[in-house]
Amino acid sequence: QQPVQSPQAVILREGEDAVINCSSSKALYSVHWYRQKHGEAPVFLMILLKGGEQKGHEKISASFNEKKQQSSLYLTASQLSYSGTYFCGTCNNAGNMLTFGGGTRLMVKP
Amino acid sequence: NAGVTQTPKFQVLKTGQSMTLQCAQDMNHEYMSWYRQDPGMGLRLIHYSVGAGITDQGEVPNGYNVSRSTTEDFPLRLLSAAPSQTSVYFCASSYSSGGSGYTFGSGTRLTVV
Repeated sequence: QQPVQSPQAVILREGEDAVINCSSSKALYSVHWYRQKHGEAPVFLMILLKGGEQKGHEKISASFNEKKQQSSLYLTASQLSYSGTYFCGTCNNAGNMLTFGGGTRLMVKP
Repeated sequence: NAGVTQTPKFQVLKTGQSMTLQCAQDMNHEYMSWYRQDPGMGLRLIHYSVGAGITDQGEVPNGYNVSRSTTEDFPLRLLSAAPSQTSVYFCASSYSSGGSGYTFGSGTRLTVV
């Protein structure tokens, strides 16, 4: 079953912060985050494994609450280059299937 | 290092035709998978493979076949193309299915008329 992402779309000004949420109804092995620019392939941002952790990647970080089966992606001090569609992918407990949410379209304006 | 290579980049098929989408990776990844992405939508898993000789179905396998005879190659075959299969197809590979990030190919844009 696909995870649910929210919000579906976000518009920011440069320097503003955003949070994208991802939730699943099933137990998870891991959560992945990807960014896709228009007309391009998704690009891997980070992975969070079960055990509950938080990771950072420049000004983009994420958390994973294993008990709640939820993950959040935090974008701070957004830049124009952050624009794109963000997808969370959740891997089932068997660790063999990665399914993606519907995506969150992020637009950063000057 | 080429990463994940998909061919062709574009293809137009007539309803009922068959074709094979090619995917090759040179990173010695054990795990490979195929996704389709419809306009404005997320990625849906078609088939995946955890290693040579092993394949399994994903969320939307109907109308597609796969095989994995080598670690490097994971072709996707459309048996009898239908307009509903018009989509962008992405191949992805990883060291492990759930514990490592995926590298995606650049995609094949398929139109079935």
